[in-house]
Amino acid sequence: NAGVTQTPKFRILKIGQSMTLQCAQDMNHNYMYWYRQDPGMGLKLIYYSVGAGITDKGEVPNGYNVSRSTTEDFPLRLELAAPSQTSVYFCASTRGGNGELFFGEGSRLTVL
Amino acid sequence: AQSVTQLDSQVPVFEEAPVELRCNYSSSVSVYLFWYVQYPNQGLQLLLKYLSGSTLVKGINGFEAEFNKSQTSFHLRKPSVHISDTAEYFCAVNSGGSNYKLTFGKGTLLTVNP
Repeated sequence: NAGVTQTPKFRILKIGQSMTLQCAQDMNHNYMYWYRQDPGMGLKLIYYSVGAGITDKGEVPNGYNVSRSTTEDFPLRLELAAPSQTSVYFCASTRGGNGELFFGEGSRLTVL
Repeated sequence: AQSVTQLDSQVPVFEEAPVELRCNYSSSVSVYLFWYVQYPNQGLQLLLKYLSGSTLVKGINGFEAEFNKSQTSFHLRKPSVHISDTAEYFCAVNSGGSNYKLTFGKGTLLTVNP
């Protein structure tokens, strides 16, 4: 019963590098989300998906891209990393119908 | 547009004391309200939620919250806290859109001291 699994847990990037944060869920949820958490700022929605093949921008999408080729996976791509992208990233999923959001344990990214 | 304001960024209390964490929301339509807890170096987990019905909602670990529509508030309470309740607490709102997006407050760090 894995729930929402995020990899990697920690990563250090140099400015200008690119990387992909992986997120997978095994609950057959249609709805998936990427949030970033910065100290004292709560969680900000980056991108979300309401089903395979469908994605949309959240509140802070600049510098990120996503894809949703399967129900299970929702990777987040960072292109040309910048120090402003230093943050903790959380992936979450829900079955919808105002059910509970299930969160992964987070990926801590530092851009130097 | 929906928004959430958590009125206190930090709340220190002594063990076995009561606590109230305050949350106000704004939305032009009916809302669904949630409280999540985040323990150090972990993801968020659901404490309780209000969707409809009784305005007093009970959650896990002895927490409860009361939905007050006239005051647009959803304050979280616990009559007697434990050291293990030390964590960050987030209030969140969903205005019922079909994408089920949640808007989160900035969080309240509850520190329970012995």
